[in-house]
This record gives sequence, structure tokens and C-alpha cells, in this order.
Amino acid sequence: GDSVTQMEGPVTLSEEAFLTINCTYTATGYPSLFWYVQYPGEGLQLLLKATKADDKGSNKGFEATYRKETTSFHLEKGSVQVSDSAVYFCALRETGSEKLVFGKGTKLTVNP
Amino acid sequence: NAGVMQNPRHLVRRRGQEARLRCSPMKGHSHVYWYRQLPEEGLKFMVYLQKENIIDESGMPKERFSAEFPKEGPSILRIQQVVRGDSAAYFCASSPPGQFTEAFFGQGTRLTVV
Repeated sequence: GDSVTQMEGPVTLSEEAFLTINCTYTATGYPSLFWYVQYPGEGLQLLLKATKADDKGSNKGFEATYRKETTSFHLEKGSVQVSDSAVYFCALRETGSEKLVFGKGTKLTVNP
Repeated sequence: NAGVMQNPRHLVRRRGQEARLRCSPMKGHSHVYWYRQLPEEGLKFMVYLQKENIIDESGMPKERFSAEFPKEGPSILRIQQVVRGDSAAYFCASSPPGQFTEAFFGQGTRLTVV
């Protein structure tokens, strides 16, 4: 079945450091790909998405590119802030399905 | 416009009791989804409902779990005769009418079975 594998955490960075959180997927078709973020005490929020190969999703300085050849959707940010501390979830949704398939989540802590 | 509201936020039940988790979707949303997050795991799909209909329950355990989304009122996830293994965070999401629209998540209910 479909699955998402993302980088184990926790990840601890200093403010203004470069962030990469790796995400790879297994799917039978052509899924849409998502990154969700969960800030402490809150629900999951959609951070960005990409619906086809080579699409780049971006939001709040975060970016991820849908790479079909490597089945990857790595999350990057050039300069993290303390306010980016959260848990990040990579997810996919198969074509024709309403279900989201999530990775296990990566906890990011950014220190001043 | 209030977000997806789940209550309670924390629920403690003894083994064998029933747990009822409530989810009020965002205004205008007619689709509700339930996901479960076990410790050290990602969120796992449980069930997808539209008003008064279960559309996809392929992720629901075969026994003790049920879900409903009545015409009036919140969606309810019901777990009968809870066991320790049911301890998890349960997340509800809702989306507007139409196919493959964006889902908005609630803050979750953390169930602890003692």
C-alpha cells in the first residue's frame, strides 16, 4: 500500500540555520503531496502542497519540490526562526482518494 | 469562522468503559474525517463521513469502534469497551463540499486508557 517515510527527529537547529527534512513516498499512482505543520497545542495546518511532478510548493519561506524520479518531497527553508519550532508531517493523497497517508512526523526545535 | 472543534481535549477512561469523542466541523463543511495517532506513529486514516453517510471506513477497527455524522450536531467517534491499546491522539478534519478539497484539522483528543 501507499506509504510515506520521513526523516526521524528530533531536529535541533540554531536560528538562521538551513533546514532540510527528508520525505520519500511509495504510491501506485500519481499522488498529491503535502507538508503539514503542528505547532504546540494546536491542530495540523497545511503548510504547502504539490499536485504533480516537478511542481514546487512554497509558503512562509518553506519550499518542497515534487520529484517523481526519486519519489521525494523534501522540505527546505533557508533560514529558520524560533517560531518555526513545531512538528512537521509529510503526507500524500492518491488520485481519486480522499484519504491522507502521513509520515510519522519530525519534531523541529529552533534555538535562539 | 471558528476552526474544527474537538472535545474533550483530554479524556481518561478505565478499561472496559466507553469513550465518546466529538468533532464539530467548520461552518459550511460537509465532510468529516477521523485519524488516529498512536505513540511514535504517524496519523492513520480511520473513517470518512458525509452528513448521515459513512463513505469510507476502511481504516476502522472491525470491533468496538463506530462513527456517525448526523444531520444535526457534531460527528461522534465512539469506542466501546476501551483497552490500553486504544490510548492515542484522535484527530478530526473537515472539508467543504466537492472532491479533494483541502481538509482542516482540529486540535485532537488525547485518549488515555488506565
